Amino acid sequence: GENVEQHPSTLSVQEGDSAVIKCTYSDSASNYFPWYKQELGKRPQLIIDIRSNVGEKKDQRIAVTLNKTAKHFSLHITETQPEDSAVYFCAASYDQTGANNLFFGTGTRLTVIP
Amino acid sequence: DTGVSQDPRHKITKRGQNVTFRCDPISEHNRLYWYRQTLGQGPEFLTYFQNEAQLEKSRLLSDRFSAERPKGSFSTLEIQRTEQGDSAMYLCASSTGTGPLYGYTFGSGTRLTVV
Repeated sequence: GENVEQHPSTLSVQEGDSAVIKCTYSDSASNYFPWYKQELGKRPQLIIDIRSNVGEKKDQRIAVTLNKTAKHFSLHITETQPEDSAVYFCAASYDQTGANNLFFGTGTRLTVIP
Repeated sequence: DTGVSQDPRHKITKRGQNVTFRCDPISEHNRLYWYRQTLGQGPEFLTYFQNEAQLEKSRLLSDRFSAERPKGSFSTLEIQRTEQGDSAMYLCASSTGTGPLYGYTFGSGTRLTVV
């Protein structure tokens, strides 16, 4: 099955700086890579996703890049704000059976220092 | 609220008791998923329904776990003879999932504590 590794486990940045979180996956068949933000005690919320036919996607201050050859993808947050503080999870999925079940990384706790 | 609803939000039970959780997905979503999340970890896949059919189960889902989605709408997850290791957040998610892959919408989860 798929194995997703995520680094770093914790990340502290000054407000206004950029944050980068990196994930690797093991199964070359994976073709969908979402990122979720989870605030303390709340549900994971999809913030951005990318499909394997695209190398980069951007949505305002958030961008995701995908390198299929190296089997890694990254989340980039620019001009960080205190409300960006949360745990971020990457995930990978392959739809071979139609299930689209996600394999999650272990999360990165991002702290933005005002 | 048109999101994914889960009930109850919290459940404390004694070891050995049975518990049942409910999930109401977004109405037009035909795919429903159950995940389990322990502290400091990402969600782990448990099982998946397309309409009323349970199409995939993780090996994490032991014989003590059973899930149903009888009419293709809400779903229930039952844990029999609970163990302390079952303590976790149980998350439900739904998606349309037809054709190209779509992101999930998660519910707020049911936090189970087995004492």
